[in-house]
Amino acid sequence: GDSVTQMEGPVTLSEEAFLTINCTYTATGYPSLFWYVQYPGEGLQLLLKATKADDKGSNKGFEATYRKETTSFHLEKGSVQVSDSAVYFCALKRNSWGKLQFGAGTQVVVTP
Amino acid sequence: DTGVSQDPRHKITKRGQNVTFRCDPISEHNRLYWYRQTLGQGPEFLTYFQNEAQLEKSRLLSDRFSAERPKGSFSTLEIQRTEQGDSAMYLCASSPRLEDTEAFFGQGTRLTVV
Repeated sequence: GDSVTQMEGPVTLSEEAFLTINCTYTATGYPSLFWYVQYPGEGLQLLLKATKADDKGSNKGFEATYRKETTSFHLEKGSVQVSDSAVYFCALKRNSWGKLQFGAGTQVVVTP
Repeated sequence: DTGVSQDPRHKITKRGQNVTFRCDPISEHNRLYWYRQTLGQGPEFLTYFQNEAQLEKSRLLSDRFSAERPKGSFSTLEIQRTEQGDSAMYLCASSPRLEDTEAFFGQGTRLTVV
């Protein structure tokens, strides 16, 4: 079946550091890929998405590129802020009606 | 509209009791989903409605679980004879009936079975 694997946390960084969270997936066909973020005390929010190979999703300084050859969708940000502290979830959607398959989540802690 | 609303936010119940959660999706979103999230894990799909029709159920949804969406508006998720293993965050999400549109999540109902 479909699965999403992402790097374990917590990832602890200093402000302005570079962030990478690895995400790889297993799925048949051509899934859409997503990064969701969960800030403390809040619900899941869509951060960015990519719907086909080589697409790059971007939002709030975060980027991720859909790499079909490596079945990956790694999340990157060049300079993190304390406000980026959250749990990040990689997810895929295999069909149009939108059931999401999530990874286990990666907690990111950014210190001043 | 302020987004997907879930009620209650927290529920503590004794083992063996029944509980019911409610989800109000974003207006005019005809797709509604329930997920369950346990500590340290990502959300796991439970069930999906398109309007009032329940179109898919995960095998995670045992006979003790039932979900409804009368009239295609709000939805309820009932758990009968709760067990300690049911302790989790129950998330509801909705989306419009368009391809490649995002799902909007509520803040969830945290269930603790003691």
